[in-house]
Amino acid sequence: EPEVTQTPSHQVTQMGQEVILRCVPISNHLYFYWYRQILGQKVEFLVSFYNNEISEKSEIFDDQFSVERPDGSNFTLKIRSTKLEDSAMYFCASQFAGQRYFGPGTRLTVT
Amino acid sequence: KQEVTQIPAALSVPEGENLVLNCSFTDSAIYNLQWFRQDPGKGLTSLLLIQSSQREQTSGRLNASLDKSSGRSTLYIAASQPGDSATYLCAVSVSQGGSEKLVFGKGTKLTVNP
Repeated sequence: EPEVTQTPSHQVTQMGQEVILRCVPISNHLYFYWYRQILGQKVEFLVSFYNNEISEKSEIFDDQFSVERPDGSNFTLKIRSTKLEDSAMYFCASQFAGQRYFGPGTRLTVT
Repeated sequence: KQEVTQIPAALSVPEGENLVLNCSFTDSAIYNLQWFRQDPGKGLTSLLLIQSSQREQTSGRLNASLDKSSGRSTLYIAASQPGDSATYLCAVSVSQGGSEKLVFGKGTKLTVNP
């Protein structure tokens, strides 16, 4: 069964550094998302992406964040200058027929 | 603003028991509702998707109901097994600026004791 994949599974970075989280959505899906989950808290929406552009973003998704689909298969989330509070699990998702399929997540630890 | 609440926050039951997890949401204008399972440190596995026009969905020992007018959904797990131990998340799909997003509850942590 097709699945969403994410790399790396765990990323440790120092505050102020740039990180890129990578996702490969399911191939025939058209809608892509990033969500995050801070430890012990709810899963929160960050951004949705359709037709090679952002369709919606939350107030969390400020100028430090960007997304890109560089080659028709990968979908990336970049955080330009990480802060301690960016430490969280980041989930990529793709959608088909109203159902979201989530990847296994990348645990980002900012020290 | 849509808010999703799940009760109870945690539940511990003996193996074989039937159980119900509850989810409520504040705004009935939803596209659909999805139940997920999350194992510790892992991703989200979709269990059931209920479209806004539907009342329930079933998959194996799982049955989810939706009452949109009252803003409630329940997940019924029959004959629980230790392998069912996980956190169960409820999420509603809402429209925002022309696209959809999921709004999640905090989850119910289920422990099934052998």
